[in-house]
Amino acid sequence: EAQVTQNPRYLITVTGKKLTVTCSQNMNHEYMSWYRQDPGLGLRQIYYSMNVEVTDKGDVPEGYKVSRKEKRNFPLILESPSPNQTSLYFCASTSLQGSYYGYTFGSGTRLTVV
Amino acid sequence: RKEVEQDPGPFNVPEGATVAFNCTYSNSASQSFFWYRQDCRKEPKLLMSVYSSGNEDGRFTAQLNRASQYISLLIRDSKLSDSATYLCVEGGTSYGKLTFGQGTILTVHP
Repeated sequence: EAQVTQNPRYLITVTGKKLTVTCSQNMNHEYMSWYRQDPGLGLRQIYYSMNVEVTDKGDVPEGYKVSRKEKRNFPLILESPSPNQTSLYFCASTSLQGSYYGYTFGSGTRLTVV
Repeated sequence: RKEVEQDPGPFNVPEGATVAFNCTYSNSASQSFFWYRQDCRKEPKLLMSVYSSGNEDGRFTAQLNRASQYISLLIRDSKLSDSATYLCVEGGTSYGKLTFGQGTILTVHP
């Protein structure tokens, strides 16, 4: 089954404790992206990657890091989480080939930083 | 001004009703537009792309008005299962850079 898999689904952590949210897709998509969703603000792009070793900042990159060492994986790293990073996070992927068929989103990671 | 603006609703309609959502965008150079659907606490899913000539998929019709910079979604014969948040999405000029509206909440009641 074609899918984007995020882990963990839920995470509660303390301020300053480094964490990684994993994202993996099995569709051989070149493009991957991270979004955060907050009430009243909608979905905002954090980082995206057009291919292996190619990453770029989205609209709200502060406090986050990403890497794209393999095509299928695009982890989101919070080096020193803070309470304002409490949010619902989505990873998404799409193909850069041919017509646009839409993003496939992961199921989301609900992160709480206390 | 927000890049993509939607009326957040909520829209409460009875089964069988026709409901329309509008969305405005600020980037006149935008090339692509979409409607996504999001159920509570779940991931967004592509409902339909929006083409310049307008397009229809079953009970759903999407329209694009470039002159006025808005897109619309019309749902006919609403079903209970249509209850969700509908996200207006602008594709911008850079591939993959999607900008989402805040979403419009629709509740269809018996």
